[in-house]
Amino acid sequence: SQELEQSPQSLIVQEGKNLTINCTSSKTLYGLYWYKQKYGEGLIFLMMLQKGGEEKSHEKITAKLDEKKQQSSLHITASQPSHAGIYLCGATHRRTGNTGKLIFGQGTTLQVKP
Amino acid sequence: KAGVTQTPRYLIKTRGQQVTLSCSPISGHRSVSWYQQTPGQGLQFLFEYFSETQRNKGNFPGRFSGRQFSNSRSEMNVSTLELGDSALYLCASSMGQLKDGQRYEQYFGPGTRLTVT
Repeated sequence: SQELEQSPQSLIVQEGKNLTINCTSSKTLYGLYWYKQKYGEGLIFLMMLQKGGEEKSHEKITAKLDEKKQQSSLHITASQPSHAGIYLCGATHRRTGNTGKLIFGQGTTLQVKP
Repeated sequence: KAGVTQTPRYLIKTRGQQVTLSCSPISGHRSVSWYQQTPGQGLQFLFEYFSETQRNKGNFPGRFSGRQFSNSRSEMNVSTLELGDSALYLCASSMGQLKDGQRYEQYFGPGTRLTVT
């Protein structure tokens, strides 16, 4: 099984709707990272979370970290076509600590219909 | 600040050849990590370099190697290319100094698309 599970795998929403993507770790999280990727391109850094209960926002995107559940959620409010892409969560775990080794989920593909 | 740069952006090689990819991190960043992305396996960690030393290594065969220079620029090399090595190779940079409780934001480059025929 995957160390980092994302759900859903894909999502199609109408423009203006809210949506949530979840990322669950099977190991103790040390840091949780959210990225966005356009197909075949590099990853765009969105947010990093490191403390239980932490919540960060950037424009219409909010990410939260639930340390007890070893889970993070990414919420997009009033989605726009520009939000379309692949959302990836990455994590560092206790064992590797604060080194540069990130384990990634399989990604969530988001389509926003105008 | 300039972002992470990778060269070349696209590469076509034949089986058995070797290839070298380059990554220049963000100025001031000392850690460079390399990842392979394929449709089947997703994003997988290859290795990380910090201050010219390999600090972490993923589960890839010895054909995959890397190095880091004193200016933090990094190269990765793949020898005896196989069809399965076709992938998007991404590098990421971060400050990377080991301090208790410190996590670092990691920034990715645009990637090098390697096609092996």
